[in-house]
Amino acid sequence: GAVVSQHPSRVICKSGTSVKIECRSLDFQATTMFWYRQFPKQSLMLMATSNEGSKATYEQGVEKDKFLINHASLTLSTLTVTSAHPEDSSFYICSAQRDSYEQYFGPGTRLTVT
Amino acid sequence: EDQVTQSPEALRLQEGESSSLNCSYTVSGLRGLFWYRQDPGKGPEFLFTLYSAGEEKEKERLKATLTKKESFLHITAPKPEDSATYLCAVQFYNNDMRFGAGTRLTVKP
Repeated sequence: GAVVSQHPSRVICKSGTSVKIECRSLDFQATTMFWYRQFPKQSLMLMATSNEGSKATYEQGVEKDKFLINHASLTLSTLTVTSAHPEDSSFYICSAQRDSYEQYFGPGTRLTVT
Repeated sequence: EDQVTQSPEALRLQEGESSSLNCSYTVSGLRGLFWYRQDPGKGPEFLFTLYSAGEEKEKERLKATLTKKESFLHITAPKPEDSATYLCAVQFYNNDMRFGAGTRLTVKP
C-alpha cells in the first residue's frame, strides 16, 4: 500500500496560461498533503501544506495567488500554477501523509513553460 | 536555526564495497527522521522512518540508525542498482519536513 499518483507526468504550456496538477493517494486516505518543488540537482523545497477541507498553508516566499492549492477530498489535492512564466518551469512533487506521519511521494510532474 | 546536512555530497563505490551516508541535524521539535531514495526524474521512494535515538531499521542491503544528532544509512555490499540519490528529512510536530541536499551514490560494477 501507500501509492501516490500525479497527473500529468509532463506538461508543456505557453507563458501566461494556467496548469493544473493532480495528486491522488490511491490506497489510503490522506488528511494532509504537501507540495514540493525541486530544481535540477537540488533537494525538495516545501511549497505548501494542505489539509482536507481547509485552506493551504504556504511557505514563506511562495505566492498563494500564483500557486492555488485545493484539497477537496481525503484522496485528492490539486496544484494550479496560474499565469505561468518560464521561471515556474520545475519538477513539482506532491506527498500524502498517513496517520503514521509517514509521507509518501508521487512520481512528480515536469512543468516546462515556453 | 534548523538545519539538515548530508554528507558526502557524492559517493562512488565499487560493487560490494560497503559504506555509510551521514545525515546530521540541528532542529528543535523533531518528530521523526526519514530516509528516501530518489532516482532521476522520479519522486522520492520511502525507505525508513526513525523516531528515537538508538532505533535501527533494516531493509535488504540498507540499515538506518539514529542518534540524538545524526543518522546513518549503512549500505552493505552495494549493487549497481543501488545507485541513486539518498535523501534524509526531518519531520517537525507540525508535520513540516525539511530535507537535506542528498547524497548521490554511484555503484560501479
